[in-house]
Amino acid sequence: SQTIHQWPATLVQPVGSPLSLECTVEGTSNPNLYWYRQAAGRGLQLLFYSVGIGQISSEVPQNLSASRPQDRQFILSSKKLLLSDSGFYLCASAPDRANIQYFGAGTRLSVL
Amino acid sequence: GQNIDQPTEMTATEGAIVQINCTYQTSGFNGLFWYQQHAGEAPTFLSYNVLDGLEEKGRFSSFLSRSKGYSYLLLKELQMKDSASYLCAVTPGSSGSARQLTFGSGTQLTVLP
Repeated sequence: SQTIHQWPATLVQPVGSPLSLECTVEGTSNPNLYWYRQAAGRGLQLLFYSVGIGQISSEVPQNLSASRPQDRQFILSSKKLLLSDSGFYLCASAPDRANIQYFGAGTRLSVL
Repeated sequence: GQNIDQPTEMTATEGAIVQINCTYQTSGFNGLFWYQQHAGEAPTFLSYNVLDGLEEKGRFSSFLSRSKGYSYLLLKELQMKDSASYLCAVTPGSSGSARQLTFGSGTQLTVLP
């Protein structure tokens, strides 16, 4: 079975600072990978998804970008954080491009 | 566009049965999912329906009617630890190999002693 690693668990960053969140997956190959954001008390919003190395699709216009430099590594970045970027960021993996997505533990980001 | 509706909150008593409904309107359909999310934690997968009918897994069952755009999650013998948010999600038919999910806002279930 696969394991999804996300770090850090919590992060406090000042407005205007850069961001890099990393997600790595073990125990599977060629997964579909996803980044979601969940604002306090809200549902999950899909930010980016990737079906392979270097292939990134964005769901919403935003201050963030994503990259997939390796098969099982997915990175979420920002050059300058905004207050509105605060939230719970979740990485998900669908192993072997199966339908079911499994989530990492998430990173709680506070932008102050 | 995609639209998924589920009640915001529900309350039930320990040991009882509760049914959480979900209706969806999507461009095509490739499957419906239910996830459980405890406060401050990541969602965990509960069930997946792609064909009409009932899928049973222990105390949890999920039902799907594609013609009605309707699903429900049935929780039996409720326990205090079942207090959580339950998320309904759909893979639209237009998703292709990416299989991206569209989530509802979640139903916050509170189980009372």
